[in-house]
Amino acid sequence: DSGVTQTPKHLITATGQRVTLRCSPRSGDLSVYWYQQSLDQGLQFLIQYYNGEERAKGNILERFSAQQFPDLHSELNLSSLELGDSALYFCASSSRTAGELFFGEGSRLTVL
Amino acid sequence: DQQVKQNSPSLSVQEGRISILNCDYTNSMFDYFLWYKKYPAEGPTFLISISSIKDKNEDGRFTVFLNKSAKHLSLHIVPSQPGDSAVYFCAAENSGGSNYKLTFGKGTLLTVNP
Repeated sequence: DSGVTQTPKHLITATGQRVTLRCSPRSGDLSVYWYQQSLDQGLQFLIQYYNGEERAKGNILERFSAQQFPDLHSELNLSSLELGDSALYFCASSSRTAGELFFGEGSRLTVL
Repeated sequence: DQQVKQNSPSLSVQEGRISILNCDYTNSMFDYFLWYKKYPAEGPTFLISISSIKDKNEDGRFTVFLNKSAKHLSLHIVPSQPGDSAVYFCAAENSGGSNYKLTFGKGTLLTVNP
């Protein structure tokens, strides 16, 4: 158990819809990261938050947004969903030491 | 532009033998490298890391080698066990940067046959 909690574990929705994925980081970790893993792809970095502020952005689509709340949990919002958005979405947290990230179990999104 | 490349999508080895997983990187600013292991239906878990000031780091059955001039690292597992069967991701970062963003390869599926 990494200590990082993601909900929901599975989500099935239709094209054009909007979903929210939630992440609770390990106790004490201030940084939260979101990664996307699509079929045959590695882990693609989407966005990082540190103590409530956006710190780095990767290949995140404009239809996607995220935020980190004062209690340090984070949400990833995916809107106007397309078939190609079907993927595993991982949240990870870190204490800012030596780059080691602790990953949640992921949220599997299926867009039909 | 893939900055971390794992060119072998899969690798199959016999139990007890050595498993060697390879990784190449292109960004010369990377100075810290990690290997993660991922089982189905679980998130990736940290396995071993190496700083660019070293060329080898060992932890039990796992050893990571770094060749900076070739921008290449490898993970050796000796002896391999069936429980090692998983997807292995290589990751790299610039630790001097203001944020700890890991760049991952696409992963190598290791199958250890009994």
